[in-house]
Amino acid sequence: NAGVTQTPKFRVLKTGQSMTLLCAQDMNHEYMYWYRQDPGMGLRLIHYSVGEGTTAKGEVPDGYNVSRLKKQNFLLGLESAAPSQTSVYFCASSRGNIHTGELFFGEGSRLTVL
Amino acid sequence: RKEVEQDPGPFNVPEGATVAFNCTYSNSASQSFFWYRQDCRKEPKLLMSVYSSGNEDGRFTAQLNRASQYISLLIRDSKLSDSATYLCVVNPLSNDYKLSFGAGTTVTVRA
Repeated sequence: NAGVTQTPKFRVLKTGQSMTLLCAQDMNHEYMYWYRQDPGMGLRLIHYSVGEGTTAKGEVPDGYNVSRLKKQNFLLGLESAAPSQTSVYFCASSRGNIHTGELFFGEGSRLTVL
Repeated sequence: RKEVEQDPGPFNVPEGATVAFNCTYSNSASQSFFWYRQDCRKEPKLLMSVYSSGNEDGRFTAQLNRASQYISLLIRDSKLSDSATYLCVVNPLSNDYKLSFGAGTTVTVRA
């Protein structure tokens, strides 16, 4: 039982390049989330999904797109990377509403944009 | 003003000591409160939920003070393995999917 798996773990991009982060969960969770974590700041929600085929914006969605074509997968895309997107990205999933249950996080993806 | 604020520390304590720290939140309508633990360069993991009446989980005690809008975490008989960053997490609205994370309080337990 792998839980939440993120790929890739590390990536270096040049400004303007695009990439996709993949998140996969094997817990049959309905809800999935993408967060970014920067030094001195709490995790900030980028986008989230409450079920297959649905997505919604979080608090810092600009410059990112997401898709949830399959229940177990949640993809985060950067169409034109900027240095401000250098961060650690965490995917998470939960059984239900976050105020009733815990979030299960992946190990994180460290992205550097030069 | 940040929704959730924490003293970043670090709190440097000897093994066996008691350490406590607080977290303040700005939205008085917040419904749910949690403490997460994050080891260096690892993912956050739920440590415990915080209930209105306060609750314990082994050596960890969490308290909620709604009047002053803060939650606290107390660690008794600190172990080396307690060294980590503790994230205060608040759900500002009962019907939303957004959790507000504090930046974390770092605790280092020394031998």
